[in-house]
Amino acid sequence: AQSVTQLGSHVSVSEGALVLLRCNYSSSVPPYLFWYVQYPNQGLQLLLKYTSAATLVKGINGFEAEFKKSETSFHLTKPSAHMSDAAEYFCAVSDDTGTASKLTFGTGTRLQVTL
Amino acid sequence: NAGVTQTPKFQVLKTGQSMTLQCAQDMNHNSMYWYRQDPGMGLRLIYYSASEGTTDKGEVPNGYNVSRLNKREFSLRLESAAPSQTSVYFCASRRQGQPQHFGDGTRLSIL
Repeated sequence: AQSVTQLGSHVSVSEGALVLLRCNYSSSVPPYLFWYVQYPNQGLQLLLKYTSAATLVKGINGFEAEFKKSETSFHLTKPSAHMSDAAEYFCAVSDDTGTASKLTFGTGTRLQVTL
Repeated sequence: NAGVTQTPKFQVLKTGQSMTLQCAQDMNHNSMYWYRQDPGMGLRLIYYSASEGTTDKGEVPNGYNVSRLNKREFSLRLESAAPSQTSVYFCASRRQGQPQHFGDGTRLSIL
């Protein structure tokens, strides 16, 4: 069975500050890991994905995440927060990429960006 | 480029009423999924369809049924709605080896 833990249901940063959203996973097989973003009243949009290639993954909107197997972590970072980054962020894990592949989501972290 | 389209966007039901949520994708994806999103619980998988003609239960299937009508369409039915099914429902689709693409959701309230 696979699972995801997102530490911190709410994170607040100042505009221009570093964004760090934490995600730890559990998987019995090499995982595939994803970060999705959800803006108010919208669906989920893929930010980035890790599929066993490079451990440092760059995504859209200046976000990146680093896969650390020894720490079972896949934390999301952005060097400088922008007001438009305010949203809810979900980390998700999958154990394969076949047709029956399923995602297990974390409970989400709401990012607030203040002036 | 429509992607994943969900209808309706909003719905209010009374307890015991039935309803079908519709989902259609125009990306020729094989796999489709239904999730519910509740505050503090993330997204939980209700049912999924790995390919046309197959459906399987996810984490929270009780009280729901699904139909994979064809490759494009995957519907979710509530036969007798209960207040506990008040939620935001998301449909997603994917091609093998690729991430899931999500619709904008259906906000369902059951009184």
